Amino acid sequence: QVQLQQSGPGLVKPSQTLSLTCAISGDSVSSNSAAWNWIRQSPSRGLEWLGRTYYRSQWYYDYADSVKSRITINPDTSKNQFSLQLKSVTPEDTAVYYCARGRVIAGHWGQGTLVTVSS
Amino acid sequence: EIVMTQSPATLSVSPGERATLSCRASQSVSSDLAWYQQKPGQAPRLLIHSASTRATGIPDRFSGSGSGTEFTLTISSLQSEDFGFYYCQQYENWPWTFGQGTKVEIK
Repeated sequence: QVQLQQSGPGLVKPSQTLSLTCAISGDSVSSNSAAWNWIRQSPSRGLEWLGRTYYRSQWYYDYADSVKSRITINPDTSKNQFSLQLKSVTPEDTAVYYCARGRVIAGHWGQGTLVTVSS
Repeated sequence: EIVMTQSPATLSVSPGERATLSCRASQSVSSDLAWYQQKPGQAPRLLIHSASTRATGIPDRFSGSGSGTEFTLTISSLQSEDFGFYYCQQYENWPWTFGQGTKVEIK
């Protein structure tokens, strides 16, 4: 049974970097059949798929154009987890952030983290 | 980016009645479409993928149909636990995109 456990701060100041981590149990971040995703949800933007990473003999990364210049998703094989970093945040980045497992669909989700961008 | 449009925004249904939700894509997504259910305070739950294949553990009162640009999610006989929000998602072209959702509420 795959489980994803999110951690990270719920409050970030404008212009700073949002950082979240998703710990994986029941699967491996280096799996050759899975992908590891970050998705966010806000009243103004709805559900938005931010990006993903996956391993197929090498690491691949795909990012949405809306955040491409500011986002980094990093796998950590030593801890079997992956992380999200979103730089230069503004109040528009306030949302519930989810990690999820799935190559093209999200079959398993983390519990969600409400991140508020405010001074 | 493919835009997904769902209708109606809100659907009022009595328990035991049939519910029909629609999802339209701005360009063809073939059958690369999924449906999710979300309840307040919870993450979305995968119901359907490949337009019509139920995910593991999903009751057979949920069914999906369509291809190309027009898709439908049908709940044959609504149960109390089925009320909530429903979202479609395309995975034909990156970035994967979601519809804005349909709220299914008790009539």
